[in-house]
Amino acid sequence: EAQVTQNPRYLITVTGKKLTVTCSQNMNHEYMSWYRQDPGLGLRQIYYSMNVEVTDKGDVPEGYKVSRKEKRNFPLILESPSPNQTSLYFCASSLWASGRDEQFFGPGTRLTVL
Amino acid sequence: GQQLNQSPQSMFIQEGEDVSMNCTSSSIFNTWLWYKQEPGEGPVLLIALYKAGELTSNGRLTAQFGITRKDSFLNISASIPSDVGIYFCAGQYDGLTFGKGTHLIIQP
Repeated sequence: EAQVTQNPRYLITVTGKKLTVTCSQNMNHEYMSWYRQDPGLGLRQIYYSMNVEVTDKGDVPEGYKVSRKEKRNFPLILESPSPNQTSLYFCASSLWASGRDEQFFGPGTRLTVL
Repeated sequence: GQQLNQSPQSMFIQEGEDVSMNCTSSSIFNTWLWYKQEPGEGPVLLIALYKAGELTSNGRLTAQFGITRKDSFLNISASIPSDVGIYFCAGQYDGLTFGKGTHLIIQP
């Protein structure tokens, strides 16, 4: 089944404790992206990647890192999480970065930083 | 970055009613997309629009790409309970920009 998977689905952590949220897609997509969703703010892009070893900042990249060592994986890293990073995070992928094809979203990761 | 104004923020309607929501921007877009998000899940694409003036239907859903390339609307006809969710517009130009969503609540 074609899908985007994220792990973990739920995470509660404390300020300053490094964490990684994994994202994997099995559709051989070139483009992958991370979003955060907050009430009243909709979906905001954190980072995106057009291909292996190519990553770029989205609208809200501060406090996040990403890597794209393999086509299928695009982990989101929070080196020193803070409470304002409490949010619902979505990974998405699409065949190309043109936007003329569908972006498939993962099921989301709900992160709480205490 | 580019901004999208999506309205209304929420809608409380009776089952069977038609629904209309729209997105506007001061920027132009090459593609307009409409997504639906259900609780506990990621957004799922409903309709994609690629050309100014394009009108596209998907069952009871109809969406149009505004002629100025700065707006789009989504209509849902004869709403049913499973239409409940958050609907997002998204415009693509240099990356994808999302609206803040329209919460649709249906009263039986």
